[in-house]
Amino acid sequence: EAQVTQNPRYLITVTGKKLTVTCSQNMNHEYMSWYRQDPGLGLRQIYYSMNVEVTDKGDVPEGYKVSRKEKRNFPLILESPSPNQTSLYFCASSPGQAGNTIYFGEGSWLTVV
Amino acid sequence: AQSVAQPEDQVNVAEGNPLTVKCTYSVSGNPYLFWYVQYPNRGLQFLLKYITGDNLVKGSYGFEAEFNKSQTSFHLKKPSALVSDSALYFCAVRDLYSSASKIIFGSGTRLSIRP
Repeated sequence: EAQVTQNPRYLITVTGKKLTVTCSQNMNHEYMSWYRQDPGLGLRQIYYSMNVEVTDKGDVPEGYKVSRKEKRNFPLILESPSPNQTSLYFCASSPGQAGNTIYFGEGSWLTVV
Repeated sequence: AQSVAQPEDQVNVAEGNPLTVKCTYSVSGNPYLFWYVQYPNRGLQFLLKYITGDNLVKGSYGFEAEFNKSQTSFHLKKPSALVSDSALYFCAVRDLYSSASKIIFGSGTRLSIRP
């Protein structure tokens, strides 16, 4: 089954404790991206990657890092999480061309206390 | 700069009535337009998209959307609403000519269908 898999789905952590949210897709997609969803703000892009070893900042990259060492994986790293990073996070992927449908993971609820 | 606006935070419709969820966009080139739906505790699911061709696009679950270039709109419609259509709906635009085909999402519209 074609899918985008995120882990963990739910996490409560403390300020400053590094964490990684993994994302994996099995569709051989070139494009992958991370979004955060906050009430009234819709989805805001954090980082995206057009292919292996190619990453770029989205609209809200501060406090986040990503890597794309393999085509299927695109982990999101919070080096020193802060409470304002409490949010619902989505990973997404699509084939490289602009007209293609974007597929989303089920989301990761992150709470930083 | 690219932008997408969903002017209504919430739309309330009686079951069986037609529904419209509004979306307007602004891009520098030709737009690729999408609608996604989000059910509680789930990721976003693709409904339909406009790339080129017929301005009326049909999608999943009986939804359709009309692309209007002069009004820069892409409103989502359904002739007869179901209670199960209650969800959060997002409009998105992808700029064909941007360097990374960046995707911009609207803020979302919560659709509530009453029995």
